Amino acid sequence: SQQGEEDPQALSIQEGENATMNCSYKTSINNLQWYRQNSGRGLVHLILIRSNEREKHSGRLRVTLDTSKKSSSLLITASRAADTASYFCATGPTSGGYQKVTFGTGTKLQVIP
Amino acid sequence: NAGVTQTPKFRVLKTGQSMTLLCAQDMNHEYMYWYRQDPGMGLRLIHYSVGEGTTAKGEVPDGYNVSRLKKQNFLLGLESAAPSQTSVYFCANRQGASGELFFGEGSRLTVL
Repeated sequence: SQQGEEDPQALSIQEGENATMNCSYKTSINNLQWYRQNSGRGLVHLILIRSNEREKHSGRLRVTLDTSKKSSSLLITASRAADTASYFCATGPTSGGYQKVTFGTGTKLQVIP
Repeated sequence: NAGVTQTPKFRVLKTGQSMTLLCAQDMNHEYMYWYRQDPGMGLRLIHYSVGEGTTAKGEVPDGYNVSRLKKQNFLLGLESAAPSQTSVYFCANRQGASGELFFGEGSRLTVL
């Protein structure tokens, strides 16, 4: 079974609004990463948060991590039509194949101009 | 710099045929990964490698084999293709045990 589950599966918002997507995972992790995928393309790394961090910012992106709840959220502020894409969280376990990186099922975001 | 290059980009196979997907990198990264992506399933890890001459199983390794004879190449083989292996395959790499992954553009495989 997959390590992560994103919620919601799909999200549609108006340009200028904020978009929040959530990720839950199952095992202890070293870090959690968020990726973006435009339709038909490969994934692109957005941001990494380490297990000892609670919040991280990068431009219009804000990521939080709650290791006690095994969950993370990605907030995109002031969304743009160009943010339309699928977003995935990815984690690597602390043991038992720590080199593995497993992905969640993704959130499909549509930003309406 | 091309980064991570996958060939072929598209392929149609008949059930029972074999084929090899090639992932080539010019980034000199140690770790390489093969994923498959199916609708509603996200990405699932097939096999990965932590260095030249090493391979390890991921979440869904059955029906696939891999080889990493050279650091810059990671090959994914299907010995006897099945319709269930119809998918988009992505290769990725990264420098160390943590950090970001760099992805290729994908290989779309259809098995009839």
